[in-house]
Amino acid sequence: SAVISQKPSRDICQRGTSLTIQCQVDSQVTMMFWYRQQPGQSLTLIATANQGSEATYESGFVIDKFPISRPNLTFSTLTVSNMSPEDSSIYLCSVGVGLDGTEAFFGQGTRLTVV
Amino acid sequence: QKEVEQDPGPLSVPEGAIVSLNCTYSNSAFQYFMWYRQYSRKGPELLMYTYSSGNKEDGRFTAQVDKSSKYISLFIRDSQPSDSATYLCAMSPLGGYNKLIFGAGTRLAVHP
Repeated sequence: SAVISQKPSRDICQRGTSLTIQCQVDSQVTMMFWYRQQPGQSLTLIATANQGSEATYESGFVIDKFPISRPNLTFSTLTVSNMSPEDSSIYLCSVGVGLDGTEAFFGQGTRLTVV
Repeated sequence: QKEVEQDPGPLSVPEGAIVSLNCTYSNSAFQYFMWYRQYSRKGPELLMYTYSSGNKEDGRFTAQVDKSSKYISLFIRDSQPSDSATYLCAMSPLGGYNKLIFGAGTRLAVHP
């Protein structure tokens, strides 16, 4: 398993500002994933973050809006830029562990409210 | 059509009941199947992880995968109020760091 710490756990932000969410893992992992969970909905993958290369974004998500850093094998950040109320959501960091990396573990999430 | 369909509930059962949670999917390439439990204001917690078809049991929880029918189930025996949560199914087409496709989640309430 993996222990994932996410900061902040929640925040209320003004529209037009940016928020950076941090994700720290207790072991080295090759790939980290960022998900969004909108109110009453399931999880949607935003991007996959590899150490040492550009993040890979899913359809509907762009780097200018959700820049990601992955400076080492235990840490990643997701920035939500130029926020609007539609960005109000839970943002979750995830890692895959095990021989095939398919067992995915999640942080506790960052609950973002944009006003 | 969504790749993964899951009845959102809510599902309300008395304590001690057997609970059956289900997901159907359309992508025959899915090989890895997972069930997560998510308490309010918490991240998803991995409950069961299954590769391909068959059953897997862990305490009060049993996961079943029927790839021929594209149907997976999670059974909870002797349900407890502490089982009240949202249960999410998730699946992946390949091993090795592939993104997960989630169902919408089923909200379960177990009342004393």
